[in-house]
Amino acid sequence: GENVEQHPSTLSVQEGDSAVIKCTYSDSASNYFPWYKQELGKRPQLIIDIRSNVGEKKDQRIAVTLNKTAKHFSLHITETQPEDSAVYFCAASMKTSYDKVIFGPGTSLSVIP
Amino acid sequence: EPEVTQTPSHQVTQMGQEVILRCVPISNHLYFYWYRQILGQKVEFLVSFYNNEISEKSEIFDDQFSVERPDGSNFTLKIRSTKLEDSAMYFCASTPKGVTYEQYFGPGTRLTVT
Repeated sequence: GENVEQHPSTLSVQEGDSAVIKCTYSDSASNYFPWYKQELGKRPQLIIDIRSNVGEKKDQRIAVTLNKTAKHFSLHITETQPEDSAVYFCAASMKTSYDKVIFGPGTSLSVIP
Repeated sequence: EPEVTQTPSHQVTQMGQEVILRCVPISNHLYFYWYRQILGQKVEFLVSFYNNEISEKSEIFDDQFSVERPDGSNFTLKIRSTKLEDSAMYFCASTPKGVTYEQYFGPGTRLTVT
């Protein structure tokens, strides 16, 4: 089955700097890659997603890139703010629209004011 | 905006007891899921459900677990005889039929087995 790896496991950045989180997946059949932000004790919140027919997607300060050949995808957060501090999970899902989501192990991001 | 809801928010039970976790998916959604997250770990898939039957289940979802959609709105997860290692946050999620891929997560139920 699908396996998603993620690094780093923890990341500290100064406010205003950029943060990059990288993920790899194992199953070439995966074609949907969501990113979730989870604050302590809360539900995972979808912040951005990308499908396999797209190489890059941007939404304000957040961007994702996907390299299907290498099975890599990344999250980039620019101009980080303290409220960006949370655990970020990358995930992968397969070709059907109702398939399960396989999560990576998470990255704990701390933005230092 | 419609949201997935879950009850209770926190459930404490003794080892060996049965628990039922309840979820109300978004009303026009057709696919339903349960995930769990042990404290400090990643979110893990348990089971998916469509058209009143299980679509897929993970290795975690053994004979102690069952799911049911008893009426048109609720979606439940039952653990027959809880173990200490069942302590986790359990998230329900739902997805509408169609091309959208996004899963909408509920707020979770924290299960504590003592």
